[in-house]
Amino acid sequence: QKEVEQNSGPLSVPEGAIASLNCTYSDRGSQSFFWYRQYSGKSPELIMFIYSNGDKEDGRFTAQLNKASQYVSLLIRDSQPSDSATYLCAVNRTGRRALTFGSGTRLQVQP
Amino acid sequence: DAGVIQSPRHEVTEMGQEVTLRCKPISGHNSLFWYRQTMMRGLELLIYFNNNVPIDDSGMPEDRFSAKMPNASFSTLKIQPSEPRDSAVYFCASSLRTASGANVLTFGAGSRLTVL
Repeated sequence: QKEVEQNSGPLSVPEGAIASLNCTYSDRGSQSFFWYRQYSGKSPELIMFIYSNGDKEDGRFTAQLNKASQYVSLLIRDSQPSDSATYLCAVNRTGRRALTFGSGTRLQVQP
Repeated sequence: DAGVIQSPRHEVTEMGQEVTLRCKPISGHNSLFWYRQTMMRGLELLIYFNNNVPIDDSGMPEDRFSAKMPNASFSTLKIQPSEPRDSAVYFCASSLRTASGANVLTFGAGSRLTVL
């Protein structure tokens, strides 16, 4: 079982819709959870992170964490074509500074 | 701040040659990470340093790979001898732990290595 699992996609949504990206993790010792966006040919860039159960909102983005279910999600409201990218979920285990990344979900927002 | 700076951006070499990738972390960040990204394996950790000391090198594929961090502002990843299966994008990242305890990584632009 992979430490961090994501559906590779592509996930296709129309412009203006809500995109929902999901991630599960296997290590219950994971403490912090991150969403990175990676455009083709570019480096990953941080969207947001969450470490408490519940929701965290930042502009059009909402991260949701459920530690009991070992599940993290990212909602993108009012999706724009510029949101088309690969979204990487990452987790940070207790006592370890490095992040473990999932393989990413490719999002396509159709104009 | 200029961010994490990596060089070279692109490297094409022949099998058996030595490759050296370089990284300058963000000033004040005390952790540095080397990751490798391929289509097949995604983004995988090779090694990370904390305060210039290697902490976890379990991701280094084999003895052909070595990494050093002689000071807080410079790190190298060396492959000797290189093989075609080493072709990948190599990312360097640095981090500073936030007040909440989360370790937020900032990535460099990456070094795309092609071994013929």
